[in-house]
Amino acid sequence: RKEVEQDPGPFNVPEGATVAFNCTYSNSASQSFFWYRQDCRKEPKLLMSVYSSGNEDGRFTAQLNRASQYISLLIRDSKLSDSATYLCVVTLYQGGKLIFGQGTELSVKP
Amino acid sequence: NAGVTQTPKFRVLKTGQSMTLLCAQDMNHEYMYWYRQDPGMGLRLIHYSVGEGTTAKGEVPDGYNVSRLKKQNFLLGLESAAPSQTSVYFCASSFAGNTEAFFGQGTRLTVV
Repeated sequence: RKEVEQDPGPFNVPEGATVAFNCTYSNSASQSFFWYRQDCRKEPKLLMSVYSSGNEDGRFTAQLNRASQYISLLIRDSKLSDSATYLCVVTLYQGGKLIFGQGTELSVKP
Repeated sequence: NAGVTQTPKFRVLKTGQSMTLLCAQDMNHEYMYWYRQDPGMGLRLIHYSVGEGTTAKGEVPDGYNVSRLKKQNFLLGLESAAPSQTSVYFCASSFAGNTEAFFGQGTRLTVV
């Protein structure tokens, strides 16, 4: 079993749609959680950190459920510019290993 | 403000040749990472370092070696390249193990 698993893609949605991505992690010692965004095989860039209480940044909302070892990302009012691959990332409490999920591709259509 | 710089950007190797990929960061970060990315596989951790002089194995370390002699540099070596090592390689650095990681632009390596 992979340490971090994401919903298979691709997701094809119209502009203005709401889309949700899910991610599960296998190691209960995982400490920190992030969503990264990657455009066209360019370098990944941080989209947002995920906090235990949940957090929001504009149209983006991230949730963490430690009991179920589950992370989610919700994108509201999708824009064409949101088209990218979204990567779920987990770090362990000790050791600093930064583990990526395989990514979920999003394509927003006009 | 360079951030994380990888050299070279592109390279074609013949099977059995060796090469070293260089990653340099100017943010005084303690943690550095090497990943490879293949279609449908996401980023897989090859090796990482939690400080100068330290290295550790990641998910897919076989066929690679690394060194972190200086804090700002993290080198990835391929001693005898194989076609299975054709991939895009990304280097990253972070201040700590649970903080944002910054990536280089990637090295596209083809082994023929």
